[in-house]
Amino acid sequence: EDQVTQSPEALRLQEGESSSLNCSYTVSGLRGLFWYRQDPGKGPEFLFTLYSAGEEKEKERLKATLTKKESFLHITAPKPEDSATYLCAVQGVFNTDKLIFGTGTRLQVFP
Amino acid sequence: GAVVSQHPSRVICKSGTSVKIECRSLDFQATTMFWYRQFPKQSLMLMATSNEGSKATYEQGVEKDKFLINHASLTLSTLTVTSAHPEDSSFYICSARDPGGGNNEQFFGPGTRLTVL
Repeated sequence: EDQVTQSPEALRLQEGESSSLNCSYTVSGLRGLFWYRQDPGKGPEFLFTLYSAGEEKEKERLKATLTKKESFLHITAPKPEDSATYLCAVQGVFNTDKLIFGTGTRLQVFP
Repeated sequence: GAVVSQHPSRVICKSGTSVKIECRSLDFQATTMFWYRQFPKQSLMLMATSNEGSKATYEQGVEKDKFLINHASLTLSTLTVTSAHPEDSSFYICSARDPGGGNNEQFFGPGTRLTVL
């Protein structure tokens, strides 16, 4: 069964304190791994798509990496506006429409 | 990125009534849209896949007669919660895939908070 596990469940950082969020997955053939940001009461906002092990993508203070079993979202020198829940989702090659989501990491960045 | 809208953003209704939620792709045509449900502090769960001009595909455990989906045009899908009950209270989110985007990502609407009294 396809599954996504994210850790930690919650993370509190001081402004400027870099850290990483983890997304471990099991899927019968990975078509893509997606990172989204979700603010309270809002829909998820697309961040990155990763397709193969070794791939990396960056956007401002965020960098996503991918291995055969997990993905990391690295946050460098975070700011309070980076506070949100970060969701990871996978899509398998046998069901290319379905996204399997993790429960997310709730990030709080304090000034 | 592509823009998806939802209406209404929140709705409160009495038990036994029906509620319709609209999902629109604003700057692209979406042959496929998706409906998710999210309970507090839980993951997004796919309810159904909405295909323009054909019947929706429902995930296991989702009652198709209770959650009616209509995808009548390339920019609009609707979800109707029929005979709503308090346990249907949740955050409903739609998404759409931009076929011209080339990267297979789904773009999400802002969500609809449904509260059934």
